[in-house]
Amino acid sequence: GQQVMQIPQYQHVQEGEDFTTYCNSSTTLSNIQWYKQRPGGHPVFLIQLVKSGEVKKQKRLTFQFGEAKKNSSLHITATQTTDVGTYFCAGVTTDSWGKLQFGAGTQVVVTP
Amino acid sequence: DAGVIQSPRHEVTEMGQEVTLRCKPISGHNSLFWYRQTMMRGLELLIYFNNNVPIDDSGMPEDRFSAKMPNASFSTLKIQPSEPRDSAVYFCASRQTGSNTGELFFGEGSRLTVL
Repeated sequence: GQQVMQIPQYQHVQEGEDFTTYCNSSTTLSNIQWYKQRPGGHPVFLIQLVKSGEVKKQKRLTFQFGEAKKNSSLHITATQTTDVGTYFCAGVTTDSWGKLQFGAGTQVVVTP
Repeated sequence: DAGVIQSPRHEVTEMGQEVTLRCKPISGHNSLFWYRQTMMRGLELLIYFNNNVPIDDSGMPEDRFSAKMPNASFSTLKIQPSEPRDSAVYFCASRQTGSNTGELFFGEGSRLTVL
């Protein structure tokens, strides 16, 4: 079945540094979504990418969808303590009735 | 809008007891998802309803788990009998009508501890 792999599992970042988390699918995706979960909270939608090669930005966050629509990345510049949390990618395949398959998430810890 | 509402927020029970988790999706959303989150297995999709009909229940662990959606505004996830390995946070999420690719809105979750 479809598998969505996400790396790294943990990311320890100094405040002000940049980092990237990567998401790879075993099958071609219809679209990919990114969610953020704060400690003790619930996943909250960040963005959806649909087109091959699409790049979207939200302030310090840059999201990219690969040309083959099988991988995606999230890059955060100038990390702040408010970026703490776990970032999940979730892929949707064309034949999955819109079912989202979540990656394992990247847990981000920011050191002031 | 109040968002997706789940109850109870926390439940502690003993092995063998029946557990019922409840979810009220956002009004107008016709897709509803139940996820289970643990440290070991991450976010697992248990079951997915569309227009109150179960579309995919391949993630339901075993016969001890059952889910229903009797109407568009209510769903339950039942575990009977419960076991310690069922301890997890259970999330309900809903999605807007007519959108197979739209964002999921998650509830705050029900934290279940089975002793």
